Amino acid sequence: AQSVTQLGSHVSVSEGALVLLRCNYSSSVPPYLFWYVQYPNQGLQLLLKYTSAATLVKGINGFEAEFKKSETSFHLTKPSAHMSDAAEYFCAVSERTGNQFYFGTGTSLTVIP
Amino acid sequence: DAGVIQSPRHEVTEMGQEVTLRCKPISGHDYLFWYRQTMMRGLELLIYFNNNVPIDDSGMPEDRFSAKMPNASFSTLKIQPSEPRDSAVYFCASRVSVVLGAIYFGEGSWLTVV
Repeated sequence: AQSVTQLGSHVSVSEGALVLLRCNYSSSVPPYLFWYVQYPNQGLQLLLKYTSAATLVKGINGFEAEFKKSETSFHLTKPSAHMSDAAEYFCAVSERTGNQFYFGTGTSLTVIP
Repeated sequence: DAGVIQSPRHEVTEMGQEVTLRCKPISGHDYLFWYRQTMMRGLELLIYFNNNVPIDDSGMPEDRFSAKMPNASFSTLKIQPSEPRDSAVYFCASRVSVVLGAIYFGEGSWLTVV
């Protein structure tokens, strides 16, 4: 089965600073990869997805993620953090031939004014 | 298009009572998932359906939990009897039956059992 590791359960950045949230997956065959965001008291919202087209994927709210097969990683970045980015972020993988999604444990992003 | 619709959004019930959570998936989606989220255990998959048929219920914590999907546009998650440790946010999610499809979540049902 797939597994997803999100390094750092809590990340704090200053407003305007680079956001980097890390995600690594375990699979010899590159899966499909996703990032979700969860704002307080809300459901999970799809930020972006990688499905074997371009390795650099752009999502909503200025976020992007780069798929690196050699590192089995799919880190999420945003050049300049905004206060409204404070939320919980989940990385998820889906096997190419499977039906299930496997979610990471989440990273809570705090943006400091 | 309407997203995944869940009801109730919030429920407070007494221990021992029956709780029924409802979900309407996105039209045309073939897969439906029930997740539970708590601070201690994070996001857990309870059960998922494909074309209204339960495929994997290994995440259902115990016999007190049951889920049904009588048709393509409706599913229920029932807890009977409820216990305080069942307090959590329960999410319903759906996706299309293509491998590239993402999961789309509802807003969740916030359950408190006292």
